[in-house]
Amino acid sequence: DGGITQSPKYLFRKEGQNVTLSCEQNLNHDAMYWYRQDPGQGLRLIYYSQIVNDFQKGDIAEGYSVSREKKESFPLTVTSAQKNPTAFYLCASSIDGSWSSGANVLTFGAGSRLTVL
Amino acid sequence: QQQVKQSPQSLIVQKGGIPIINCAYENTAFDYFPWYQQFPGKGPALLIAIRPDVSEKKEGRFTISFNKSAKQFSLHIMDSQPGDSATYFCAASSRAGRFGAGTRLTVKP
Repeated sequence: DGGITQSPKYLFRKEGQNVTLSCEQNLNHDAMYWYRQDPGQGLRLIYYSQIVNDFQKGDIAEGYSVSREKKESFPLTVTSAQKNPTAFYLCASSIDGSWSSGANVLTFGAGSRLTVL
Repeated sequence: QQQVKQSPQSLIVQKGGIPIINCAYENTAFDYFPWYQQFPGKGPALLIAIRPDVSEKKEGRFTISFNKSAKQFSLHIMDSQPGDSATYFCAASSRAGRFGAGTRLTVKP
């Protein structure tokens, strides 16, 4: 089955630690995205990547880093510089980087819930 | 700052009612407006989408109304059912999408 796999589903982190959230897709999609979901704030864009070895900051990139070395993988590192990292993180992918095609549906993973202790 | 403003934050209707969720945007570069539905513990999934060159799109019980001059669009759910209880997000995009804050809909039996 094609889809997006996020791991781990739940993660606990001590303050001052970096953690990396995994996102893998087997949809052969060019574009991948990371969103953060907080109650009452919807989904906020952290980073996105339209092709391998290229990525762009979203609206709340501070304290996060990404890499896109392979088409199918887009890991997100939550660094100790992120002041309020406790949240639900969603990875998504789309056929290409433009939603305007109309066929360019975002497919989401099931999410990773990060809690800072 | 939220590039797409969504209201209300929560909505409760009786079965058979017609909940309406509203969204507004500022960026005129946006040219694709999808709605996503999210059930607890899951990622959002595309429900219905519209381009700004049409004023209405209907798919089953779900209808999007679009007002380009007002930069507003809304989702109507006809004959709502308890199974429609979920969080709904509007979004707008020209490149990577921006989402509204979400509306938690509860449909009571």
